[in-house]
Amino acid sequence: QKEVEQDPGPLSVPEGAIVSLNCTYSNSAFQYFMWYRQYSRKGPELLMYTYSSGNKEDGRFTAQVDKSSKYISLFIRDSQPSDSATYLCAMGQGGSEKLVFGKGMKLTVNP
Amino acid sequence: SAVISQKPSRDICQRGTSLTIQCQVDSQVTMMFWYRQQPGQSLTLIATANQGSEATYESGFVIDKFPISRPNLTFSTLTVSNMSPEDSSIYLCSARTALGQPQHFGDGTRLSIL
Repeated sequence: QKEVEQDPGPLSVPEGAIVSLNCTYSNSAFQYFMWYRQYSRKGPELLMYTYSSGNKEDGRFTAQVDKSSKYISLFIRDSQPSDSATYLCAMGQGGSEKLVFGKGMKLTVNP
Repeated sequence: SAVISQKPSRDICQRGTSLTIQCQVDSQVTMMFWYRQQPGQSLTLIATANQGSEATYESGFVIDKFPISRPNLTFSTLTVSNMSPEDSSIYLCSARTALGQPQHFGDGTRLSIL
């Protein structure tokens, strides 16, 4: 079993839809969790970063972490065409430099 | 957050040659990282570069193939040596300011080997 599993999609939604992106993981030692957005021909851009279980909201984005189920989600409300990108989950252990990434989910928001 | 610049942004190289990729950060950072990103695959960590010490390589990556320099707190280079078509990939540099802080990425170097 891979340490981090992410549905690669692709996912296509109409503008204004609520989008849910998910990752599962197997390593219970992971303590911090990130979502990155990557536009075509660009590097990953940090969207959300959280240490704890529960929800963290930033504008139209909500990151959810459920450590008991080893499951993280990113919700995008009122999705816009500018949200069209690949979304990568990443996680790391406290005290370790290494991040483990999901494969990324390609999202297209259609106007 | 740190702003990271990578050069070159892309290159096409001949088999058997070497290419050095530069990574410049606009502020001093403790750790810098080099990743490879291949289509349909997760970002794969090549090595971690700490200023003043040898880089730490991940399983499957060796210093002879991917020598790394870290001469100061804002700069690092990755060399891809004796290139073959299998080395065609996107190479990404990242940095973080402190342990536990998120990594920030450059835009990558798109490398094609003929």
